[in-house]
Amino acid sequence: GAVVSQHPSRVICKSGTSVKIECRSLDFQATTMFWYRQFPKQSLMLMATSNEGSKATYEQGVEKDKFLINHASLTLSTLTVTSAHPEDSSFYICSAPSGLNTGELFFGEGSRLTVL
Amino acid sequence: QKEVEQNSGPLSVPEGAIASLNCTYSDRGSQSFFWYRQYSGKSPELIMSIYSNGDKEDGRFTAQLNKASQYVSLLIRDSQPSDSATYLCAVFYYGQNFVFGPGTRLSVLP
Repeated sequence: GAVVSQHPSRVICKSGTSVKIECRSLDFQATTMFWYRQFPKQSLMLMATSNEGSKATYEQGVEKDKFLINHASLTLSTLTVTSAHPEDSSFYICSAPSGLNTGELFFGEGSRLTVL
Repeated sequence: QKEVEQNSGPLSVPEGAIASLNCTYSDRGSQSFFWYRQYSGKSPELIMSIYSNGDKEDGRFTAQLNKASQYVSLLIRDSQPSDSATYLCAVFYYGQNFVFGPGTRLSVLP
């Protein structure tokens, strides 16, 4: 079946640095990918929709300049957390629709970011 | 605004019992319905999908959809401790987006 790969799975960084997370669709093309953030014991919160070849669509309250999203190809979307702060520590998950109009989503493995 | 509601739990059931997870949604234009299981520290994995009214069975899992009542449920028969996780109900609106419920934490007690 279709697989979405996310990297890195864990990252620890110092406050003020930037961190890039990659999301790849391995055996299918994804013109759209979704980025979620999840705090402990809370549900998924959609941050933005990544669109291949165009600007991402951000949800209300999500800072565009802080969470940079690039979808340069049909198989790769990246999320860059710029000038990270401890409050950005969270579990970031990407997903991509199967493309079959069934609505099925394939999730990446998730990336746990810890900002010291 | 499209909403998906779930009881946050925790729902505790003894091993071998039937676990019943419920989900309601607000928009009648909903197209597809999904149940995802999420273990602590892991990303969600698809358990069941259902698109039309009625029941859909897959092994120990049964999804039930009632569009008139805007209600979708997941039954887990012969619950096992390994079923302990958070179960997310998700609704897909064609051409739009997915909306996830807050999730129900299930605890299966040995």
